[in-house]
Amino acid sequence: EPEVTQTPSHQVTQMGQEVILRCVPISNHLYFYWYRQILGQKVEFLVSFYNNEISEKSEIFDDQFSVERPDGSNFTLKIRSTKLEDSAMYFCASGLQPGTGELFFGEGSRLTVL
Amino acid sequence: EDQVTQSPEALRLQEGESSSLNCSYTVSGLRGLFWYRQDPGKGPEFLFTLYSAGEEKEKERLKATLTKKESFLHITAPKPEDSATYLCAPSSGNTPLVFGKGTRLSVIA
Repeated sequence: EPEVTQTPSHQVTQMGQEVILRCVPISNHLYFYWYRQILGQKVEFLVSFYNNEISEKSEIFDDQFSVERPDGSNFTLKIRSTKLEDSAMYFCASGLQPGTGELFFGEGSRLTVL
Repeated sequence: EDQVTQSPEALRLQEGESSSLNCSYTVSGLRGLFWYRQDPGKGPEFLFTLYSAGEEKEKERLKATLTKKESFLHITAPKPEDSATYLCAPSSGNTPLVFGKGTRLSVIA
């Protein structure tokens, strides 16, 4: 069964460092998403991506965040200068249709900022 | 403003003790109501989509129902492996899913 894969599974970084989280969505999916979940809190939407551009982003997704799909298979989330409050589980998801279709989530990348 | 409220926040059941989880929403022009299951440390896993009031869907011990203001996830004779956090997300169309805080279900053998 096709699945969304994410790397790394866990990353520890120092405050102020750049971090790149990687995702390989399901191959025939067209819509890509990043969500995050701070420990003990809800799953929060960060950004959606379609046709090689951001289609929607939340208030959380400020100038420190960026996404790209560099090679047609990978989908990356970059945090330029990490803060303590960026510590969270980051989930990548992909889907065939926006809003009315099911999303397939990866296992997540746990980011710890020290 | 929250568009979705899930209750209870946590629920502890004995194995075989049936119950229901609630998802109340205020999204106008609902196009779909999604239920997901999330195991600790894992990504959400899709369970159901409900599109219109009165619709019901079943999967093993789970049945999801939908009205114009809320959705219920009924769990019949639960087993310990049903322990998870259950998330709902109403959608008004082409907007990304916004999840509720979830109900954390624990089923004790």
